[in-house]
Amino acid sequence: QVQLVQSGVEVRKPGASVKVSCKASGYNFITSGISWVRQAPGQGLEWMGWIGLYNGHTDYAQKFQERVTMTTDTSTSTIYMELRSLRSDDTAVYYCASVKAGALSWFDPWGQGTLVTVSS
Amino acid sequence: QSVLTQPPSASGTPGQRVTISCSGSSSNIGSDYVYWYQHLPGSAPKLLIYSNNQRPSGVPDRFSGSKSGTSASLAISGLRSEDEAEYYCAAWDDSLSGVLFGGGTKLTVL
Repeated sequence: QVQLVQSGVEVRKPGASVKVSCKASGYNFITSGISWVRQAPGQGLEWMGWIGLYNGHTDYAQKFQERVTMTTDTSTSTIYMELRSLRSDDTAVYYCASVKAGALSWFDPWGQGTLVTVSS
Repeated sequence: QSVLTQPPSASGTPGQRVTISCSGSSSNIGSDYVYWYQHLPGSAPKLLIYSNNQRPSGVPDRFSGSKSGTSASLAISGLRSEDEAEYYCAAWDDSLSGVLFGGGTKLTVL
C-alpha cells in the first residue's frame, strides 16, 4: 500500500523559494511517478506537473515551467517540489499524489498536503 | 478551449440521486479517460472513479461514472450526509500536454 508523507507548513516572503518534500513508501511497479497538485484558498485543484520515479522524467504544466523543479532522491524514496520566485498567489496547500503507470490523471493515494504561505 | 466545466454547486436530500456534469473537448475528455475525485474539507482528495466508470476498492457502488463524447457525469445515489464535499473531474489534455481539473462542484446535502 503506497503511503505519502509530506513536509510541514512553510512561510516565505515574496521572491523567495520553497522546497516541499514527499516521502513515499510501499510503492511498486504500479506507481510510475508522483504528481504535484495545489489548491489556493477558495480555488479548485491545479495540476503542476509530475516526475517519473524510475527515470526522473519530468513534465511540468506550462504555467509553472519557468519556476518549478521536481526531483527524486531514490536513496530515501523522497520526492521534492521546488517553486521559485514566489508570489502571494502561490499561497496554497500543495499535495503530492501517486500516479499509476500509463494513466497520468490517476492520482491515488495523496499526501496529506503542505500549506505554503507567501506573505511579506 | 482546454477547460473542464462543472457546475459550481449541486444539492439533494438524503436518499436522493444527484448527478454532476463535466464538459470538455476533443483534446481532453474526447480522447482520454475521465477521473473523479472527492475532496472533503480538511482532508486530501480521494480517487472516486477511474477510467470513466470504474470504482476503486472501497468506494461504495452508490457512486457511478459515465462518459459520452466530450462530456462525463458522476452520479451519486442514496445520498448521505457524509457525501457533502467538493467533487472534481480530471482528464489529460493533449493540447496542453498536461492534466486538467474541472473547477469543482460543491455538493450540499440538505
